[in-house]
Amino acid sequence: NAGVTQTPKFQVLKTGQSMTLQCAQDMNHEYMSWYRQDPGMGLRLIHYSVGAGITDQGEVPNGYNVSRSTTEDFPLRLLSAAPSQTSVYFCASTVLTGGLSSPLHFGNGTRLTVT
Amino acid sequence: LAKTTQPISMDSYEGQEVNITCSHNNIATNDYITWYQQFPSQGPRFIIQGYKTKVTNEVASLFIPADRKSSTLSLPRVSLSDTAVYYCLVGAPNDYKLSFGAGTTVTVRA
Repeated sequence: NAGVTQTPKFQVLKTGQSMTLQCAQDMNHEYMSWYRQDPGMGLRLIHYSVGAGITDQGEVPNGYNVSRSTTEDFPLRLLSAAPSQTSVYFCASTVLTGGLSSPLHFGNGTRLTVT
Repeated sequence: LAKTTQPISMDSYEGQEVNITCSHNNIATNDYITWYQQFPSQGPRFIIQGYKTKVTNEVASLFIPADRKSSTLSLPRVSLSDTAVYYCLVGAPNDYKLSFGAGTTVTVRA
């Protein structure tokens, strides 16, 4: 059981470039989500999904796109990177047994720098 | 979602007990209280969850008074490896939009 796997671990982009952050889980979790973590601000929710084909916006969705074609994968796309998107990105997942009181399982993050 | 307030930082020494209190005055009937731990360069990790009274596991204890407007995470006999950021979250089973505040940075010194 690998848990939640995020790739790449580090990435440097130039302003305006696009890229996709990958997230995969092998626990058959229905719920998956993306967070960004900036210094002193905790983790803020970007987008989440409660199953294949179902996504919704979180607290800070602007500049990011997501899709969920399979239970296992939940990629995060930056269409035109901006310096304000420099951050550490975490993917998380959990089961949906009547809701979200089940603990979140996190990946080890992707550190993104936009110059 | 209930807003939470916790101290920004706490210092301790090895072997001491660390207690972190989280305030959540507007907690709702369906809300659970969950604590996570985050080490540098890692994602947060679940520590403990409770609804009321006291919950204990091999890592920590969670004390919740009857009015549930606050909760206290207790870490017994901390070691240097307990240095981390600790987050308190309050949310109901149907809350899909969970966000983490800044957390409490606990520094354990030798």
